[in-house]
Amino acid sequence: SQQGEEDPQALSIQEGENATMNCSYKTSINNLQWYRQNSGRGLVHLILIRSNEREKHSGRLRVTLDTSKKSSSLLITASRAADTASYFCATDPHYGQNFVFGPGTRLSVLP
Amino acid sequence: EAQVTQNPRYLITVTGKKLTVTCSQNMNHEYMSWYRQDPGLGLRQIYYSMNVEVTDKGDVPEGYKVSRKEKRNFPLILESPSPNQTSLYFCASSPPGNTKAFFGQGTRLTVV
Repeated sequence: SQQGEEDPQALSIQEGENATMNCSYKTSINNLQWYRQNSGRGLVHLILIRSNEREKHSGRLRVTLDTSKKSSSLLITASRAADTASYFCATDPHYGQNFVFGPGTRLSVLP
Repeated sequence: EAQVTQNPRYLITVTGKKLTVTCSQNMNHEYMSWYRQDPGLGLRQIYYSMNVEVTDKGDVPEGYKVSRKEKRNFPLILESPSPNQTSLYFCASSPPGNTKAFFGQGTRLTVV
């Protein structure tokens, strides 16, 4: 079945640096979303980008979408220790099944 | 406060003993889903429901049942749990258009 794939699987950076995570998917979508999960807890919605959008910003987050390459990236600028979490992309396929998540990128921001 | 509530948060049970994990949302959402999360595999969808009395299989439905008799509730039923169903389970709801999913806090299930 369709599934988003995040890359890298794990990322470790210093506080203040930027973190970039990528997501690839397989079929056409209505929208793509990014979620954050703090250890063992529920996922929290970060940002949604629609298939007709190429870039979107929300605070320190910047998301891009390239539907021709079926890929998206999430950039977190000026990272903080509190950004340490797992990040997931989720796609909403045209055929109507609810969100499909990738395996996630585990981000560690070191103080 | 808008929320999705799962119960219980933690559960240890024995193989074959039927159990139900409840999920309730107070946002009048049509869509509800169940996911399991296992290390290295991300979240995999078990079942989803587009509205009352409308349910469908996700990617890993074997060994699970669901029902949607009311809009707010979407219980997950394990008729005969097995150790390979040991996992972290999440319920989620979302409004029409799949614009944003709201997740419960998770249920950590251990089947021994």
